[in-house]
Amino acid sequence: SQELEQSPQSLIVQEGKNLTINCTSSKTLYGLYWYKQKYGEGLIFLMMLQKGGEEKSHEKITAKLDEKKQQSSLHITASQPSHAGIYLCGAPYYNTDKLIFGTGTRLQVFP
Amino acid sequence: NAGVMQNPRHLVRRRGQEARLRCSPMKGHSHVYWYRQLPEEGLKFMVYLQKENIIDESGMPKERFSAEFPKEGPSILRIQQVVRGDSAAYFCASSPPTSGRSYNEQFFGPGTRLTVL
Repeated sequence: SQELEQSPQSLIVQEGKNLTINCTSSKTLYGLYWYKQKYGEGLIFLMMLQKGGEEKSHEKITAKLDEKKQQSSLHITASQPSHAGIYLCGAPYYNTDKLIFGTGTRLQVFP
Repeated sequence: NAGVMQNPRHLVRRRGQEARLRCSPMKGHSHVYWYRQLPEEGLKFMVYLQKENIIDESGMPKERFSAEFPKEGPSILRIQQVVRGDSAAYFCASSPPTSGRSYNEQFFGPGTRLTVL
């Protein structure tokens, strides 16, 4: 069965530092979603990637999907306290509409 | 355009009672998905519905759980005779009708946190 593994599991960085979160799949990805979750709240959609080699940016967050479509990275430039939360990668399970998710990366940003 | 709405946000039930969770998708969205997040675990798919149809219920427990998305009104996730192990956050997501792209973004609601005493 397909699984998504995220690394690191948690990350503590100082404000202003750059950071990268990785998401690795055991199978070829049909697409890759990045979400952010704050404690007690729902998931905020960040980006969706579908093509090998695709890269998207929004404000200070950049996500990439590798050419082989088995790994994605999320990069935050000049982190701020507002970036704190749990980052989840999700992917369609094989060629279906249901999503499977990684276990999440908990990010803390301190001043 | 309001986002996905879920209510109640918090629900407390005693063992053996029924829990009803509601989800109103975003305007124009006809696909609804339910996910469950158990404490210290990741999000797990439960069921995928379109209006009046269950498309994929492969993640639903075989007993006590049911879901519907009627022609009018919100989608309902119903849990009968709740047990302590049902305590979790239940999230609903919606997406627009398939538009020719391979997959559509799924937008999530704030979740319903169910506590079973």
